[in-house]
Amino acid sequence: NAGVMQNPRHLVRRRGQEARLRCSPMKGHSHVYWYRQLPEEGLKFMVYLQKENIIDESGMPKERFSAEFPKEGPSILRIQQVVRGDSAAYFCASSPQGQGYGYTFGSGTRLTVV
Amino acid sequence: DQQVKQNSPSLSVQEGRISILNCDYTNSMFDYFLWYKKYPAEGPTFLISISSIKDKNEDGRFTVFLNKSAKHLSLHIVPSQPGDSAVYFCAASRAGNQFYFGTGTSLTVIP
Repeated sequence: NAGVMQNPRHLVRRRGQEARLRCSPMKGHSHVYWYRQLPEEGLKFMVYLQKENIIDESGMPKERFSAEFPKEGPSILRIQQVVRGDSAAYFCASSPQGQGYGYTFGSGTRLTVV
Repeated sequence: DQQVKQNSPSLSVQEGRISILNCDYTNSMFDYFLWYKKYPAEGPTFLISISSIKDKNEDGRFTVFLNKSAKHLSLHIVPSQPGDSAVYFCAASRAGNQFYFGTGTSLTVIP
């Protein structure tokens, strides 16, 4: 039973390019969460999705960031026109149920914008 | 707006001694708390949790204490082992899906 799989592990993008981060939840988990960790900071919530639905996107920047969790396939966090300040570790987590349960995290994608 | 705070960025402890990691929160509506452990280049891994109806939860060498009146929780590791060296994050939630994380405490256990 594989854990939460994130790819790529490392991603380098030039300013203005698009970054696509993928997350496959644990088998049987239908709730996916994206967090971002900026250097010297804790994890900050970005978005919570269930299959085909965005439940809570209160932590997502208003522009350039979007997330989806289609019926088939992994969850995708997309960052358009990346800037240097987007450089961070992006972690995905999944859970079997949404309310009051801890998560299982993936190993993260480290995005570097040059 | 940091609702969960870990004021000690680092802690060093001798092997065999107790490690105490502290966490404070500001939102009195939080009712579920977790501790995560993180090694470099890996994702956080769940360590132990506590709900607000309890004031203590124990799992092997790890014990979490919750003081609701002080809005404070702590993680005790005893005895500490070199393999415990990692960054520890506390997180809090209001019975929901969004967890608020502290900035982490880097624990070093010295052999």
